[in-house]
Amino acid sequence: DAGITQSPRHKVTETGTPVTLRCHQTENHRYMYWYRQDPGHGLRLIHYSYGVKDTDKGEVSDGYSVSRSKTEDFLLTLESATSSQTSVYFCAISEGGTHNEQFFGPGTRLTVL
Amino acid sequence: GQSLEQPSEVTAVEGAIVQINCTYQTSGFYGLSWYQQHDGGAPTFLSYNALDGLEETGRFSSFLSRSDSYGYLLLQELQMKDSASYFCAVRDGRTDKLIFGTGTRLQVFP
Repeated sequence: DAGITQSPRHKVTETGTPVTLRCHQTENHRYMYWYRQDPGHGLRLIHYSYGVKDTDKGEVSDGYSVSRSKTEDFLLTLESATSSQTSVYFCAISEGGTHNEQFFGPGTRLTVL
Repeated sequence: GQSLEQPSEVTAVEGAIVQINCTYQTSGFYGLSWYQQHDGGAPTFLSYNALDGLEETGRFSSFLSRSDSYGYLLLQELQMKDSASYFCAVRDGRTDKLIFGTGTRLQVFP
């Protein structure tokens, strides 16, 4: 199994508070992704990174920011959490942009009250 | 726009064969992938088709027809452990990002 961990695995927070989710990989893969998964919507890309300090937006990036200061870590920040951001968040990694196989972390279940 | 369509749910019995279809519309196309996700788990990669035709991996096969913007995942000799959600995904040629379908929930009954 690809070495991907996410922390925390579960979090409950209140509306308006900042939240940071962490994704850590030990595979030295160049590409890292953040998705959210909601019933009826499948997996939707929030942001992705194609290298240290290189990031780009996905289809649902509003309200989220990311940072990647090291190859192994990709952080997702909700500046001011809203109830609509209650979801399961998955981090994924891949070897290259043209390689379709992505390896997913275990997920973080976030509840915003 | 970019979109993928797949059935929301499929049911079958152990030992049977089931086919999960996926039709897609993207601004460019680099290949069709399939992922499996068990309840409470993470998606895991099953297969990838870049060219037309059938790719076989054990009990699972995946097919692609680029001219029809269509593919399917074929699961043979179904087992209870195959009960899961299955997602098709395409790489958008314009943005180079993976776009996922909304998933097909497969329930296998004894």
